[in-house]
Amino acid sequence: ETGVTQSPTHLIKTRGQQVTLRCSSQSGHNTVSWYQQALGQGPQFIFQYYREEENGRGNFPPRFSGLQFPNYSSELNVNALELDDSALYLCASSYGTSPSYEQYFGPGTRLTVT
Amino acid sequence: AQSVAQPEDQVNVAEGNPLTVKCTYSVSGNPYLFWYVQYPNRGLQFLLKYITGDNLVKGSYGFEAEFNKSQTSFHLKKPSALVSDSALYFCAVRENTGGFKTIFGAGTRLFVKA
Repeated sequence: ETGVTQSPTHLIKTRGQQVTLRCSSQSGHNTVSWYQQALGQGPQFIFQYYREEENGRGNFPPRFSGLQFPNYSSELNVNALELDDSALYLCASSYGTSPSYEQYFGPGTRLTVT
Repeated sequence: AQSVAQPEDQVNVAEGNPLTVKCTYSVSGNPYLFWYVQYPNRGLQFLLKYITGDNLVKGSYGFEAEFNKSQTSFHLKKPSALVSDSALYFCAVRENTGGFKTIFGAGTRLFVKA
């Protein structure tokens, strides 16, 4: 069974640029969520994708967008990067959308915006 | 609105002693509660969850947690701490009304001294 993988591991971008982060979900999982974890804080929910559609979103602006593909892998896109976007971005997958399901997390992508 | 509080930034225990990491929550409906652990440069790993039924739930690596509805708490416990338990622990809550959003606490760093 393959776990959740994310790429790249680290990324440095300049303010105003755009970035794409990638995630492969665990085998058999059809739901993917993305989180932003700032230094010293808990993960903050960005959005969730199920069957290629966004079905839930946290308090993040529209410049945070995503995609889910037929194989359930996912991308997080962030436009017009700001310094405060510097954080660890975590992808998590689960068997479905039920709130009773635990999530399986990838190792994260560390984004630094300068 | 959902919220999770982890009142201790850090918990220090000696190896072999019992440990408790505290968590209180607030939701409008019945909660689904989770504990996750994060090791350095790693994503979050699922430890255990409370959905319904027995208030004492057992999880991975000898950890357990007690759900207390009247005190809205879900403290993580382990009878005998190991040095390898040293990590960052997150409590999380979801509502059982079909909500997709997971709210995480700020985390508690557990330090187990040999």
